[in-house]
Amino acid sequence: SQTIHQWPATLVQPVGSPLSLECTVEGTSNPNLYWYRQAAGRGLQLLFYSVGIGQISSEVPQNLSASRPQDRQFILSSKKLLLSDSGFYLCAWSVGTAWARGTIYFGEGSWLTVV
Amino acid sequence: AQSVTQLDSHVSVSEGTPVLLRCNYSSSYSPSLFWYVQHPNKGLQLLLKYTSAATLVKGINGFEAEFKKSETSFHLTKPSAHMSDAAEYFCVVSEGAGGFKTIFGAGTRLFVKA
Repeated sequence: SQTIHQWPATLVQPVGSPLSLECTVEGTSNPNLYWYRQAAGRGLQLLFYSVGIGQISSEVPQNLSASRPQDRQFILSSKKLLLSDSGFYLCAWSVGTAWARGTIYFGEGSWLTVV
Repeated sequence: AQSVTQLDSHVSVSEGTPVLLRCNYSSSYSPSLFWYVQHPNKGLQLLLKYTSAATLVKGINGFEAEFKKSETSFHLTKPSAHMSDAAEYFCVVSEGAGGFKTIFGAGTRLFVKA
């Protein structure tokens, strides 16, 4: 069966510090991968998605970036965090074909507090 | 363009009574529709999905939803609420045209009173 892991689960970072959130998927090949952000009390915002190694699409311009160095690894990064980057970040995956009909499966999320 | 509207931001029910969470959608194509549940500080868990098969879809934990094309609705129901059902629920629409678009509703917070 497929599983998704993301870490760390929680972190508190000062403004201006770097960020690295990691996500890996097991039990599937060539998945589509996603990073979502959920601000407190709000819905989900798609930040990035990837259909393959090195292929990243950004939905929202900001000071965050994503990379996919391996087929089942997805990393969310920032060089300098802003207060507004605080939120709940969710990694997700779907089957790598017929994207628009694919069910999206989520990781457990990472709470980021920028202070 | 596709969109999804969850008609209630909060729903409160008593334990043992029915649950109804309402969702309307708009899509130019034959959409796939999903309901997810999110417990506090957790990721989203898939409850059920509709992908153009049977219009009445049964999911986990006793939930079900009916796809009504004429009403463009996909309401989530459960006959009898349990305390553990208290969570945030998201209705999701995804179009089958390869547009790389999945739209999440704003969510409905379900409260269950003892």
